[in-house]
Amino acid sequence: DGGITQSPKYLFRKEGQNVTLSCEQNLNHDAMYWYRQDPGQGLRLIYYSQIVNDFQKGDIAEGYSVSREKKESFPLTVTSAQKNPTAFYLCASSIDVLEQFFGPGTRLTVL
Amino acid sequence: AQKVTQAQTEISVVEKEDVTLDCVYETRDTTYYLFWYKQPPSGELVFLIRRNSFDEQNEISGRYSWNFQKSTSSFNFTITASQVVDSAVYFCALSEAGDNYGQNFVFGPGTRLSVLP
Repeated sequence: DGGITQSPKYLFRKEGQNVTLSCEQNLNHDAMYWYRQDPGQGLRLIYYSQIVNDFQKGDIAEGYSVSREKKESFPLTVTSAQKNPTAFYLCASSIDVLEQFFGPGTRLTVL
Repeated sequence: AQKVTQAQTEISVVEKEDVTLDCVYETRDTTYYLFWYKQPPSGELVFLIRRNSFDEQNEISGRYSWNFQKSTSSFNFTITASQVVDSAVYFCALSEAGDNYGQNFVFGPGTRLSVLP
């Protein structure tokens, strides 16, 4: 089945550690996105990528990094520079400006 | 810049009531797309509908219906005979058909709907 997978579902991190969240899609979409969602809040764009080897900062990119070496994969690294990383992270993909399809999300907690 | 407003933060209804979720948008583009998503407690956003700016026809899908009015920049969503399974956060979103897509995709803040048995 076509879709977007994110792993892990739950992730715990100690302060000062970098962690990488995985996002894979087999929809053959060019564009991929990372969003952050805090409890009771909407979605905020972290990074997005329109094509392989290219990505752009979103509204809250500080403390995060991404790579797009393959069309199917768009991993997000939460670095130690992100002061408040506890949140729900959602990955999405789309064809051009059309609807985005979302993965199941990763819930990150800093201990 | 484009913007999406969902003035209703939370709505509670009793099962079988009809409920309308409001969405008002702002854009300078003449070509754009509007979307509704549902986020159940599991967290994954589920795509419900897409509408382009040239198609103002209302749409009905089962108990769901959408009313798109360019004159008032609104794209409202109505659930008829609500059910407990409709309880979720609903997001309205806007995408502009500019060259720099992705950055032009904006979500509203969401409306939390609680349907009580």
